[in-house]
Amino acid sequence: GAGVSQSPSNKVTEKGKDVELRCDPISGHTALYWYRQRLGQGLEFLIYFQGNSAPDKSGLPSDRFSAERTGESVSTLTIQRTQQEDSAVYLCASSVQGFSNEKLFFGSGTQLSVL
Amino acid sequence: TQLLEQSPQFLSIQEGENLTVYCNSSSVFSSLQWYRQEPGEGPVLLVTVVTGGEVKKLKRLTFQFGDARKDSSLHITAAQPGDTGLYLCAGAKHSNYQLIWGAGTKLIIKP
Repeated sequence: GAGVSQSPSNKVTEKGKDVELRCDPISGHTALYWYRQRLGQGLEFLIYFQGNSAPDKSGLPSDRFSAERTGESVSTLTIQRTQQEDSAVYLCASSVQGFSNEKLFFGSGTQLSVL
Repeated sequence: TQLLEQSPQFLSIQEGENLTVYCNSSSVFSSLQWYRQEPGEGPVLLVTVVTGGEVKKLKRLTFQFGDARKDSSLHITAAQPGDTGLYLCAGAKHSNYQLIWGAGTKLIIKP
């Protein structure tokens, strides 16, 4: 596709339910990031994938959060037993090689609301 | 902990005025990026500055990287309502693929 695609764009769920968020990066981009953004705040790093290397999961806030990536394509972020504090926008970004000075291309995000 | 502090956190001004927002750290970065984010969208890269003292211009926006590569500023001349958004700075280090993000400056330009 032309850009990074995220789905769903909005998700409302009940506390305790599991949710799965999807990210389709730009074709050919080997690096993929997940970030969390609380209302009016900056970006909180969650996880980083680069090619076939082991992902950097150091930003995941708890063991309720997990993410997978199939090769250099689609990624899913799963949140189990959602809590109200999980409410935020979840942003996905991709870049060509994953160098820190590279341009990141962001999706429009998934707005997650936990009731 | 490496921090990038952005100031002001919030700025609301009239169309036509000039403004400057700042991004400061005690750490040295190999490069620094500025992004603008509009409501309901992801951040979009505006510029990357790499060399200490570098100045880059993008129409009415002027970006400067500090001589010591620890800080940066964004100056907007004759602000327009279309400049409204959240401005985020992000610092990069050669040794790490991660960016260090500031909390952002929320800018509102009133017509």
